[in-house]
Amino acid sequence: GAGVSQSPRYKVTKRGQDVALRCDPISGHVSLYWYRQALGQGPEFLTYFNYEAQQDKSGLPNDRFSAERPEGSISTLTIQRTEQRDSAMYRCASSSRVGAGGYEQYFGPGTRLTVT
Amino acid sequence: AQRVTQPEKLLSVFKGAPVELKCNYSYSGSPELFWYVQYSRQRLQLLLRHISRESIKGFTADLNKGETSFHLKKPFAQEEDSAMYYCALRRGSQGNLIFGKGTKLSVKP
Repeated sequence: GAGVSQSPRYKVTKRGQDVALRCDPISGHVSLYWYRQALGQGPEFLTYFNYEAQQDKSGLPNDRFSAERPEGSISTLTIQRTEQRDSAMYRCASSSRVGAGGYEQYFGPGTRLTVT
Repeated sequence: AQRVTQPEKLLSVFKGAPVELKCNYSYSGSPELFWYVQYSRQRLQLLLRHISRESIKGFTADLNKGETSFHLKKPFAQEEDSAMYYCALRRGSQGNLIFGKGTKLSVKP
């Protein structure tokens, strides 16, 4: 079946603009995660959802970042008033199990965001 | 603090040589450790997890709680093993992963 998809794959925006990044998880997957990966670094946790409930948003760097998953499927990560330091690869992952050990997170291809 | 450390940014070996990618972690609870791999132009994917005690593509990793390590090993490297490897720690029951910075493995012919 189809894997996790993300759109757009590449986004170039000017400083100060808002951007919305979309993640479509594997059908039926309960948990959805957002990570951010700067060049030369590993993915860094931003936030995650179980169904439509945002369980943890402690990784969001500031209040310009927000995420939602209103119907428990597709999720949108929104960055307001973008800054150059927001440039990174944004990765989404989904998982079929909640709080269970040994589960696998399936990653999407990522969205490469460049703020000029 | 919860942390995953991969000390080598780049590891270069010749085909057929043994390879060991190091991973150390810092975690106060009972950890769940994973290795993820990203081949060129592909997405990040799970390679193996410690609780499964499995061998995937000839790779193994043993959790050593005394040394807080989870090193990835393969006795005979292949060119197709060239990729970026990330060690990751699952944080308690929350589910999100804490990643190391990654090690780029280059296997030369």
